[in-house]
Amino acid sequence: AQSVTQLDSQVPVFEEAPVELRCNYSSSVSVYLFWYVQYPNQGLQLLLKYLSGSTLVKGINGFEAEFNKSQTSFHLRKPSVHISDTAEYFCAVSDSGYSTLTFGKGTMLLVSP
Amino acid sequence: EAGVTQFPSHSVIEKGQTVTLRCDPISGHDNLYWYRRVMGKEIKFLLHFVKESKQDESGMPNNRFLAERTGGTYSTLKVQPAELEDSGVYFCASSRRGLGGYTFGSGTRLTVV
Repeated sequence: AQSVTQLDSQVPVFEEAPVELRCNYSSSVSVYLFWYVQYPNQGLQLLLKYLSGSTLVKGINGFEAEFNKSQTSFHLRKPSVHISDTAEYFCAVSDSGYSTLTFGKGTMLLVSP
Repeated sequence: EAGVTQFPSHSVIEKGQTVTLRCDPISGHDNLYWYRRVMGKEIKFLLHFVKESKQDESGMPNNRFLAERTGGTYSTLKVQPAELEDSGVYFCASSRRGLGGYTFGSGTRLTVV
């Protein structure tokens, strides 16, 4: 069985500061890893995905994540956040690109001026 | 291309009533998924259609939930009779076969009172 742990339920940060949202997973098979973002009153939007290849994955809106197999982590980072990045971020794992996703509980990123 | 469309966006019903949620996937997407997020919990998988066939319905909570996908196009999720614990946000997603992750709809917020 797969599971995802997002260690922080909320991350407050000031505008233009760097941020890291943590995600750890457990899986007995090969994994595909995803970060989704949900802006207020909107659906889930794919930020980035790791399927294979380079462990550093770049996504939309300046976000990136690094797959670390030995630490079973897939932390999301952004060097400088904007107010508009305020949203809830979800880490998810799958054993293929289109099968069931197992989500973490989400991390609310709160960016203040 | 048009995105995944869900309606209604909000629904408030009384315990014991019936509600039907609808999802229109992206045209040409054979895979259609339903997920649910109960307040404060993770987003959880409900079921997966490939065209009109149920590929995996292991996440359906009980037999009060009935999902259909007519002709491999739109899908409906009926809850009958609704209970208080069915409240939450119901997400639909679709994808083509192959790798890449899903495209999610904006969700239907269901409140059972």
